[in-house]
Amino acid sequence: LAKTTQPPSMEAYEGQEVNVSCSHTNIATSEYIYWYRQVPHQGPQFIIQGYKDYVVNEVASLFISADRKLSTLSLPWVSLRDAAVYYCIVTDIFYAQGLTFGLGTRVSVFP
Amino acid sequence: DAAVTQKPRYLIKMKGQEAEMKCIPEKGHTAVFWYQQKQSKELKFLIYFQNQQPLDQIDMVKERFSAVCPSSSLCSLGIRTCEAEDSALYLCSSSPSGQGANSDYTFGSGTRLLVI
Repeated sequence: LAKTTQPPSMEAYEGQEVNVSCSHTNIATSEYIYWYRQVPHQGPQFIIQGYKDYVVNEVASLFISADRKLSTLSLPWVSLRDAAVYYCIVTDIFYAQGLTFGLGTRVSVFP
Repeated sequence: DAAVTQKPRYLIKMKGQEAEMKCIPEKGHTAVFWYQQKQSKELKFLIYFQNQQPLDQIDMVKERFSAVCPSSSLCSLGIRTCEAEDSALYLCSSSPSGQGANSDYTFGSGTRLLVI
């Protein structure tokens, strides 16, 4: 499994855009990139997933570098509700297994 | 509210007691996963069921835990003899198939176990 590296923490003010980077230098061709977030006392919540290029949904956008070794989750116009720990996960799509979580990036949002 | 339901939300046990927590997977999901999350630590994979059969689990689960999915709509995770180190948030997750590019892993809110 590819390991992921994320910054431990980030801070932003409400209304700003937050970009959380994730390095996965050993990602395999069969691995997808998932992003989840977790608020206290809750389980992780799926945000977005991608394989290459650019993916966007109603919550966030995900940019994946051409060599797939780096991805960036972009959260536009963050609010206090977006304060959470954000996890970048890579997982093999052909081999069923549990997700491997790291420590994630703690995003703090200030009013 | 999470589509995966976990009960109870909180559980307090004395050392040496047995603990049991339940999970109702999202309807139609055939893969169920259990994770353990200690305070300020990363989620740790425990066990994976596919169509109610355990397909993968870590050694700790084999030695000290009991996990079953007697039906597609109910799974349980038990600890035979609770130890202080078992205090953690136990999270259940389900997905449509457990693999594939479109597997969406849905998590419950967890059962927080405190062993005193």
